Amino acid sequence: NAGVMQNPRHLVRRRGQEARLRCSPMKGHSHVYWYRQLPEEGLKFMVYLQKENIIDESGMPKERFSAEFPKEGPSILRIQQVVRGDSAAYFCASSPDKGRLEQYFGPGTRLTVT
Amino acid sequence: RKEVEQDPGPFNVPEGATVAFNCTYSNSASQSFFWYRQDCRKEPKLLMSVYSSGNEDGRFTAQLNRASQYISLLIRDSKLSDSATYLCALHGSSNTGKLIFGQGTTLQVKP
Repeated sequence: NAGVMQNPRHLVRRRGQEARLRCSPMKGHSHVYWYRQLPEEGLKFMVYLQKENIIDESGMPKERFSAEFPKEGPSILRIQQVVRGDSAAYFCASSPDKGRLEQYFGPGTRLTVT
Repeated sequence: RKEVEQDPGPFNVPEGATVAFNCTYSNSASQSFFWYRQDCRKEPKLLMSVYSSGNEDGRFTAQLNRASQYISLLIRDSKLSDSATYLCALHGSSNTGKLIFGQGTTLQVKP
């Protein structure tokens, strides 16, 4: 059973460009979560999605950030007009259906904004 | 006060030692507690869930103390490979799926 997959693993963007991060949950999982880890800081929740629905986006910055989890395909975290402060590791996690509470993490995407 | 607090360490212990970490939380309505392990620049890996009755998995034992609002992780017979950062995490009272993480405790096991 393949784990959570994320791509790209490393992404370099110049200030003002857009970053698109992709996450495919584990097989059979329909709950996806995005977290951000800034250098030397802890993991912070960003958004929780199920297929075609955003359930909780309380951790998302109000501007420039958006997320989706379409019926087909991976979940996408999109950051528009990136700034240096967006440089971080972005981790996606998934959990099984039916309310299982454990979350399993993907390898992350390391975003560097130059 | 932070929602979840951990002593960052580092905890430096010799191989074979027993070491324990605590993690305190501020919201008494918190549900569902977990310990994750994170190696440098890697993803967090689920180590174990923490049940009210306690949970043991080999050399690892997790306990929950609701009255004092903390969870603990005990590692017996430490191995060099146990060197990592240990993160505690919990779901908030509304159980929306959001995990709240502590800053992590760093463990270094020395030969």
